[in-house]
Amino acid sequence: DTEVTQTPKHLVMGMTNKKSLKCEQHMGHRAMYWYKQKAKKPPELMFVYSYEKLSINESVPSRFSPECPNSSLLNLHLHALQPEDSALYLCASSQVTVGKLFFGSGTQLSVL
Amino acid sequence: GQQVMQIPQYQHVQEGEDFTTYCNSSTTLSNIQWYKQRPGGHPVFLIQLVKSGEVKKQKRLTFQFGEAKKNSSLHITATQTTDVGTYFCAGPFVSADKLIFGTGTRLQVFP
Repeated sequence: DTEVTQTPKHLVMGMTNKKSLKCEQHMGHRAMYWYKQKAKKPPELMFVYSYEKLSINESVPSRFSPECPNSSLLNLHLHALQPEDSALYLCASSQVTVGKLFFGSGTQLSVL
Repeated sequence: GQQVMQIPQYQHVQEGEDFTTYCNSSTTLSNIQWYKQRPGGHPVFLIQLVKSGEVKKQKRLTFQFGEAKKNSSLHITATQTTDVGTYFCAGPFVSADKLIFGTGTRLQVFP
């Protein structure tokens, strides 16, 4: 199984809502990532988990809260987002940090 | 700050023509990876180059890593409509533990 599964595929939320994005991989990868991608831009790193511990937070606002419940799962909790947070949110995993990335199909998020 | 630039930003080609995208880093990279993202899709890994001056081929695609490990190129011979998408290079700066993506080159192929 070489897939990274992300849910939901699409999400529309208001600025007062709380929602969560979910990501799962069963490749035994020990590094997992959240990226944010705006239209026609490259993926922008948000968080890195290595061996289930947060190793990198790219100065992401606290309205984004990552969680790694176990080595296969990665969540991104969203609260009080702004319209400018609308983007494609990509989860990825790799065997080692800075190794080959396997991306999920992403969650297209719209904040109204 | 440290960045990875790609040129051109956008290119139209006629099917059958060749295409090249160039990737330039402000800092030495430990390795270089290339990804392809189809319209509406997610990035998909193509290849990784590690050694200075390395050249690798995948069918019609040729990848090079510069001698100084600060630049790379992807060349597609005889493009096909299936080559449409955005090509990103990505690499970790030496002693860094995160991948930085290049700005991307969007390729459009007309039949």
